Formats: sequence, structure tokens, C-alpha cells
Amino acid sequence: EVQLVESGGAVVQPGGSLRLSCAASGFNFDRYTLHWVRQAPGKGLEWVSLIGWGGGGTSYADSVRGRFTVSRDTGKNSLYLQMNSLRTEDTALYYCVKEATSGWPDLEHWGQGALVTVSS
Amino acid sequence: SSELTQDPAVSVALGQTVTITCQGDSLRSYYASWYQQKPGQAPALVIYDKNNRPSGIPDRFSGSRSGNTASLTIAGARAEDEADYYCNSRDSSGSQLVFGGGTRLTVL
Repeated sequence: EVQLVESGGAVVQPGGSLRLSCAASGFNFDRYTLHWVRQAPGKGLEWVSLIGWGGGGTSYADSVRGRFTVSRDTGKNSLYLQMNSLRTEDTALYYCVKEATSGWPDLEHWGQGALVTVSS
Repeated sequence: SSELTQDPAVSVALGQTVTITCQGDSLRSYYASWYQQKPGQAPALVIYDKNNRPSGIPDRFSGSRSGNTASLTIAGARAEDEADYYCNSRDSSGSQLVFGGGTRLTVL
């Protein structure tokens, strides 16, 4: 069974930094592209970032490029999102997501999310 | 990045058929996937790879595309289908992913 468990969510002040982690299990971690998708309270889904299988290739939404960095550690079966220069508009539930075997945009498995609140 | 546009809200009578649409220029090149999200839950993939359903998704859910519009059709809507539905696809460059704004489906 595929499991994705996010951690690291917290309350942080504007301008601050935070690192989210996602522990993955139940699949060949190195063979799938992984994504971060966020959802602000009461709002829709917003794609944030992806990192390709085998660690190759990253992509970011315009709203976070230059501030967020995605990475993965195959030895730990973990996905990370380093978030710097946080803004109030970054407040959201951040989901760790695994693509389907058909590839992205098909996002088949979702974690339960990590809540990030940016507030003074 | 390009945008995907969805109607904010749609309603359907119990047992009837409803179609939820998603419009965007990138859909001329890339197919859309569809997600169902119920309150307090993570989204769930319901249609992928043009018109395939993950295990456990009933066959009353189907997908299609014409020109710049992708559609999710629910035949014989049930009360448990009441949820928010989102489409997504690659953007026009193919290097980013984009979501539609979501459609809240009400089953009357």
C-alpha cells in the first residue's frame, strides 16, 4: 500500500523559512515523479513543484520559484520542500503527491497534508 | 503558465447525468485528469490518462476532450458524488502542472 506522510508544518513569521518532509513507502521510490500541491484555507488546489524520478529535473510554479526548493533522498525514501522568504499567501495545507504509472499530470496518491501558517 | 477554467458550481438531480467542464489552451495539446475532493479529505483521482478510472472508481465516471475543453461526466449521480471536482493538466510549455479553479457539485 502506498503511503505518503508529510511532516514539518508549523506557524512561521513572514520572511521566515520552513522545511517540509514527506516519508514515502509502498512503492519503488526512485521510479516516480513526486509533487507538492497546496490548498489555502477554503480555496482550490495549487500545484507548487515537482521533482523527476531518479532525482532528475525540477519545476516550480511561478508563485514560488526562487523561494522554494524541492529535493528527494532515495536512501531515506523521502521528499522535501525547503521554503524560504515565506509570505502570508503561502499559508496552506501542503500535500505530498505521487504520480500514477501513466505519468503526470495524473496524481494518484496523496498524503494527508502538512499545515503551514505564515503569520506575524 | 496557462490557466484552466471551471464553472464554480453545478447542480444535478439525484440519478441524472451531469457534465463538468474544464477549458484551457493547453488542453489542445495535453489531456486533463480529474479529482474529487470531499470536505476534510485529500483529493482523489477519478479520471486519468484521457479516460481511465483508478481501481475503486465507479464506471459512472467518464472523461472526454474536444478542442480546448475537457469534460467529466457522471451518469446517474448519487448523493455521495457531492464534492468539489478539479481538473489538471500540463501547462502550454509542458513543464509545469496547472489546476482548474474547481467545481462544487451539488446533488439535489
